[in-house]
Amino acid sequence: AQKITQTQPGMFVQEKEAVTLDCTYDTSDPSYGLFWYKQPSSGEMIFLIYQGSYDQQNATEGRYSLNFQKARKSANLVISASQLGDSAMYFCAMRATDSWGKLQFGAGTQVVVTP
Amino acid sequence: NAGVTQTPKFQVLKTGQSMTLQCAQDMNHNSMYWYRQDPGMGLRLIYYSASEGTTDKGEVPNGYNVSRLNKREFSLRLESAAPSQTSVYFCASKAGGETQYFGPGTRLLVL
Repeated sequence: AQKITQTQPGMFVQEKEAVTLDCTYDTSDPSYGLFWYKQPSSGEMIFLIYQGSYDQQNATEGRYSLNFQKARKSANLVISASQLGDSAMYFCAMRATDSWGKLQFGAGTQVVVTP
Repeated sequence: NAGVTQTPKFQVLKTGQSMTLQCAQDMNHNSMYWYRQDPGMGLRLIYYSASEGTTDKGEVPNGYNVSRLNKREFSLRLESAAPSQTSVYFCASKAGGETQYFGPGTRLLVL
């Protein structure tokens, strides 16, 4: 069975600082995908970044990068130069090989960016 | 291009009442999904439809039914609502790639 774990329920970060959100996963599938979504207080789910299990390089999208350590089964999200608008809930999710794209989500990490 | 739309945005039901949550996407995506999000938790998959004409159970299907009406629309029905179904419901869709695009959600309160 797959499992996604986010151990940090909440974090404070100062504006312009970098923040790392932890995500560990457990799967026996050889091929899988890892995602990060942002959920601001307005409630919508916003896709941030994707990493495939066979991708050689860590994914990056603007200020977001995914620190993928396959042997450790971790997929941490790094947000560089935090902005006030980054205050939100962040979810890590995993898609297994033949699951028709079904996602399993972690419990989320609440990030508050302070001036 | 509206993306994924959901109706209604909010709904209050009494225990035992039924209702249908509507979802539509205009991105010509094959796959569609229904998730629920309970307070302080991540999303959990209720049902999904890999393609038009097919539906399958997800992690928490009990108490729900779905219909993939056509390629655009995927509805979720609660036949007899229970307080445990109080949640925020999200619909999502996906093309052949990896990314799922989510609707704005429906907040449901069952009294």
